Amino acid sequence: SYELTQPLSVSVALGQTARITCGGNNIGSKNVHWYQQKPGQAPVLVIYRDSNRPSGIPERFSGSNSGNTATLTISRAQAGDEADYYCQVWDSSRVFGTGTKVTVL
Amino acid sequence: QVQLVQSGSELKKPGASVKVSCKASGYTFTSYAMNWVRQAPGQGLEWMGWINTNTGNPTYAQGFTGRFVFSLDTSVSTAYLQISSLKAEDTAVYYCVLPSGDAFDIWGQGTMVTVSS
Repeated sequence: SYELTQPLSVSVALGQTARITCGGNNIGSKNVHWYQQKPGQAPVLVIYRDSNRPSGIPERFSGSNSGNTATLTISRAQAGDEADYYCQVWDSSRVFGTGTKVTVL
Repeated sequence: QVQLVQSGSELKKPGASVKVSCKASGYTFTSYAMNWVRQAPGQGLEWMGWINTNTGNPTYAQGFTGRFVFSLDTSVSTAYLQISSLKAEDTAVYYCVLPSGDAFDIWGQGTMVTVSS
């Protein structure tokens, strides 16, 4: 089955840029979606189809996807961005990444 | 607005069954498939499968066959997840989710199921 690998944690200084990677075999050929999950809350879609933002998601969130790695970038990180982030693709079934905890210092 | 409202937390003993409901509003219920996602405590997200809200035909992901059943009551725009022969490892939050393309757009608030003797 298809696997998506994310770093366990990413730390970023307030106001700086965080990059969260999602590794998978030839992931660049798939649509990648990203979710933000804060403690005790349901996940929220923040990026769909590699680089598109749903309405209401700040422009500070962006995504890219090429080769074997997709990346979620959070620019000008804020305290409110602290959360777990998951990537997700479709590969004969829906697959989630392992999840990354983002800490804003 | 589109909304999914799930039933409340459940505490069950091993071997019992549980039925989680997910009531949809703000759209035509049969227009979109309903998906289910599990999240064990401190763990990541696992896709459990989906049910075709037109035909009632369920599709279960690997690892969710046998004890897990998806069902519908279209008259009240509600989807159900039933888990039988509960085990401690079924302790998790269960989410119903609406897709948009192959992304998950709208999530229920989640239902915590705790299995403990």
